[in-house]
Amino acid sequence: SAVISQKPSRDICQRGTSLTIQCQVDSQVTMMFWYRQQPGQSLTLIATANQGSEATYESGFVIDKFPISRPNLTFSTLTVSNMSPEDSSIYLCSVGHNEQFFGPGTRLTVL
Amino acid sequence: AQSVTQLGSHVSVSEGALVLLRCNYSSSVPPYLFWYVQYPNQGLQLLLKYTSAATLVKGINGFEAEFKKSETSFHLTKPSAHMSDAAEYFCAVRGRDDKIIFGKGTRLHILP
Repeated sequence: SAVISQKPSRDICQRGTSLTIQCQVDSQVTMMFWYRQQPGQSLTLIATANQGSEATYESGFVIDKFPISRPNLTFSTLTVSNMSPEDSSIYLCSVGHNEQFFGPGTRLTVL
Repeated sequence: AQSVTQLGSHVSVSEGALVLLRCNYSSSVPPYLFWYVQYPNQGLQLLLKYTSAATLVKGINGFEAEFKKSETSFHLTKPSAHMSDAAEYFCAVRGRDDKIIFGKGTRLHILP
């Protein structure tokens, strides 16, 4: 299994600003995943982050809006840029192969 | 392409009654299937997983699920509901490149 931590756990941000979310894993992993869970909704994959290469984004998500860094095998960041109220969601990172382990999530509210 | 469909966005059962949450999947390859639980204001926790071994999978908290290939189903059951089981439950399938594809979720309500 893997232990995943995320920072911040929650934040309230103003429209037009950006927030960077950190994800730290207690072991080295090849792939990390970033998900979004909008209020009352299921989880949607934003992108897959491999160390040493550009992140791969799912349909509907773009790098300019959600830039991702993956500087090493235990850490990744997701930035939510130029935020609007529609970005209010829980953002989760996960790792794993046969099963995925999820971080506790970052609850973002955009005013 | 892989997908999952959860039947019923809300399910209510009485405490002590059988819990049955339905999930059907679509997969072009032998699937890896999962059930996750999310308690209010908490992250996701893996309940159980199917990875092509035994078709009846036992998980945590007394839950189990049966993989039925002929019905493309992976329903979650628990013989006797407890108040602490009230949560959101997600069925998921592993797609290509280890991506997990989630169903829309079923909120389980336990009636006293």
